[in-house]
Amino acid sequence: DAKTTQPPSMDCAEGRAANLPCNHSTISGNEYVYWYRQIHSQGPQYIIHGLKNNETNEMASLIITEDRKSSTLILPHATLRDTAVYYCIVRPLLNQAGTALIFGKGTTLSVSS
Amino acid sequence: DADVTQTPRNRITKTGKRIMLECSQTKGHDRMYWYRQDPGLGLRLIYYSFDVKDINKGEISDGYSVSRQAQAKFSLSLESAIPNQTALYFCATSVSGSGNTEAFFGQGTRLTVV
Repeated sequence: DAKTTQPPSMDCAEGRAANLPCNHSTISGNEYVYWYRQIHSQGPQYIIHGLKNNETNEMASLIITEDRKSSTLILPHATLRDTAVYYCIVRPLLNQAGTALIFGKGTTLSVSS
Repeated sequence: DADVTQTPRNRITKTGKRIMLECSQTKGHDRMYWYRQDPGLGLRLIYYSFDVKDINKGEISDGYSVSRQAQAKFSLSLESAIPNQTALYFCATSVSGSGNTEAFFGQGTRLTVV
């Protein structure tokens, strides 16, 4: 079973910030939070990951709550090309069985003009 | 050229036929994965391999087998294809190390079993 809970869909106006929430209340102390997205039926694409601290890269920002039970992916200025399914994934512990990425159903983000 | 290449990109096969999907990568990664995706659903893990001699079942391995011929090649076989194996299949790679490693995905193989 997926260890994360995401809303099935969200809408965003082009140029506005898109804030995608994710709940991971059973996350363990050294499990990472990863975000991937899948545009149409292409292969998923890595966006960002974090452990405890907030992270930012050229694509997005990741805000993780202090108790690590939830996080938010922020696309600061959404464009039409950001329309995709966004997956929040909790990465199991390294070097133990099952450290492959496990995907849930994700959030379908629709960006409109 | 893509870092992770899947062949074929599209395939239609008949029920009961054996079919192999191939994946090759040029990233030098030691870990490789096969996923399937059904319409409206997320990706589900079929098999994964952490190196050439290490093969592990994922959550939906029944009806599938894999072969890791080399570090760069990981093949998925359907020994006797059935219609409910119609899906989009993805291969992915990653490198071992600390937990903060991203996975790279191929463009997918769309398989239809009739």
